[in-house]
Amino acid sequence: TQLLEQSPQFLSIQEGENLTVYCNSSSVFSSLQWYRQEPGEGPVLLVTVVTGGEVKKLKRLTFQFGDARKDSSLHITAAQPGDTGLYLCAGPSDTSYGKLTFGQGTILTVHP
Amino acid sequence: DTAVSQTPKYLVTQMGNDKSIKCEQNLGHDTMYWYKQDSKKFLKIMFSYNNKELIINETVPNRFSPKSPDKAHLNLHINSLELGDSAVYFCASSQGILLAGEFQETQYFGPGTRLLVL
Repeated sequence: TQLLEQSPQFLSIQEGENLTVYCNSSSVFSSLQWYRQEPGEGPVLLVTVVTGGEVKKLKRLTFQFGDARKDSSLHITAAQPGDTGLYLCAGPSDTSYGKLTFGQGTILTVHP
Repeated sequence: DTAVSQTPKYLVTQMGNDKSIKCEQNLGHDTMYWYKQDSKKFLKIMFSYNNKELIINETVPNRFSPKSPDKAHLNLHINSLELGDSAVYFCASSQGILLAGEFQETQYFGPGTRLLVL
């Protein structure tokens, strides 16, 4: 069974601080995705990383895929209250097509 | 225009009742999904349909029965509701379906249905 473990589960910081969220597995994934879910809404895809060692930037968000394709990280620079939400990493199942396995999520709160 | 819509957004009901949740997508996608998000925010796949055909059926009680009348709609009927069914149920869709372990394309999620069983 492929599992994705995210850390930390909860993160409460002040506006302007930097933070990193981790997504780790003992399994190799062909790709990993990061979603953000705002309160009362469904998850929205932020990025997909496909190549080991890949780094993708989305404004103040930097995503990295581990060289061995077993882990990924999300780094936010100068966090803003609008970054508040649930961050989820997800990867495709290696046995069931179309199935995404999600991490348990990181709840981020950015205080003004 | 809403890409993936669900009704109702909130559903409060008594134990033992039967209820349905409806989902529609206007993206022209071939694949639709039902997910359950528990109180700890863990999101887990329940079912997936591709062109009205069931392709993923996770370990879900038989009380849950999905139905896809056409590829733009995927409904979820729940019989004999139990307290543990309380959760947020998300519908999602994606363009196609890929082989196991391959690059996963974008899934578009609906706003969720908050089910509370009393």
